[in-house]
Amino acid sequence: QLQLQESGPGLVKPSETLSLTCSVSGGSISNSSYFWGWIRQSPGRGLEWIGNGFYTGRTSYSPSLKSRVTISVDTSKNHFSLKLGSVTAADTAVYYCARVRRLASGSGSPLDNWGQGTLIIVSS
Amino acid sequence: QSVLTQPPSVSAAPGQKVTISCSGSTSNIGNNYVSWYQQLPGTAPKLLIYENNKRPSGIPDRFSGSKSGTSATLGIAGLQTGDEAHYYCGTWDSSLSSAVFGGGTEVTVL
Repeated sequence: QLQLQESGPGLVKPSETLSLTCSVSGGSISNSSYFWGWIRQSPGRGLEWIGNGFYTGRTSYSPSLKSRVTISVDTSKNHFSLKLGSVTAADTAVYYCARVRRLASGSGSPLDNWGQGTLIIVSS
Repeated sequence: QSVLTQPPSVSAAPGQKVTISCSGSTSNIGNNYVSWYQQLPGTAPKLLIYENNKRPSGIPDRFSGSKSGTSATLGIAGLQTGDEAHYYCGTWDSSLSSAVFGGGTEVTVL
């Protein structure tokens, strides 16, 4: 059974870089049928897609966060990571990692497995 | 403000049916597949419906999805107290080049 688990510091200072890792167990991150995504949720903004990564290194990012985001996939460790730079209080949220199913055709890929989420607070 | 529009809340008695609407545009719902997610209190979202009307393994057939034009609908039949949760629709927006979600709908069982 596939499991995803986020890890990282719960508190990040303003202007610094938020770094999170999602460890994947029960399945291979090199499976070409899936992307690996990051989503966040804050009370004021609901669910917000951050971006996806693929085992080949291909990535796609939310246009609103693209200038600050890097997602990388490490096949040797079967995990993927998120870096979000120059954080502010507006980046305070619960961050989720998820498996994203590639569609045979069309767009609107479902997020079919989610991690439990980790609360990140941006504060000095 | 979310790209996809959902009602903030819906409610019904146990055993009844509720429907949750998700309204968008041709750049998102109109031309892409819709998914629905259930978020029980204090937990991560869970996939309920994908590709407009398909259910993942383990999701009861009380949950159904449909799409017409630029709107999608989630139906929950035979409402149970365990269905009290927030429900979100999601899809891809081709103009924004971004995955987008609705603001969420809270389901209350009276």
